[in-house]
Amino acid sequence: DAKTTQPPSMDCAEGRAANLPCNHSTISGNEYVYWYRQIHSQGPQYIIHGLKNNETNEMASLIITEDRKSSTLILPHATLRDTAVYYCIVRPPNSGYALNFGKGTSLLVTP
Amino acid sequence: KAGVTQTPRYLIKTRGQQVTLSCSPISGHRSVSWYQQTPGQGLQFLFEYFSETQRNKGNFPGRFSGRQFSNSRSEMNVSTLELGDSALYLCASSLTKGARETQYFGPGTRLLVL
Repeated sequence: DAKTTQPPSMDCAEGRAANLPCNHSTISGNEYVYWYRQIHSQGPQYIIHGLKNNETNEMASLIITEDRKSSTLILPHATLRDTAVYYCIVRPPNSGYALNFGKGTSLLVTP
Repeated sequence: KAGVTQTPRYLIKTRGQQVTLSCSPISGHRSVSWYQQTPGQGLQFLFEYFSETQRNKGNFPGRFSGRQFSNSRSEMNVSTLELGDSALYLCASSLTKGARETQYFGPGTRLLVL
């Protein structure tokens, strides 16, 4: 499985955009990039996923570089409730359901 | 649509006992996966089930087992509990199998082994 590298922690002021980077330089052409987050002591929450194109939904935007070696999750207007650990996961197509969560980025949104 | 539900939410057991955790997937979802989360190891994959068959298994001892029923509900069992089994056990469901399918997680069962 392709490995991902994320900064261990980040801060963001409330109301500003939070840009969370993820490096996946060994990703192969048919692997998807998924983002989940986990608010303290809750189950992980799906945010967004993509293959090649940029994606946007009601929660966030996902920007994938053209070479697909890195991506950025953007929370356009961070709120205090966005404080969580964010996981970037690369999924091979035949991996079944197993998600390799890694250590993620702990995002702290401050007032 | 109701989300993934897990019961019980909290559990206290003693070493040597066994425990059974239950997971009800989102209605219509046929796949269930289980994960263990500890402060030291993070989120680790236990096993996955699809149509009552175990499709994949993580690197855990045989004390950890599971099953899936015809209604897609799943149970996991841990026998001969050890202190290190204290963890948050998470269940996730998805519609079918494959890398495109999004997994939706339940709130977890927090197990404390004394």
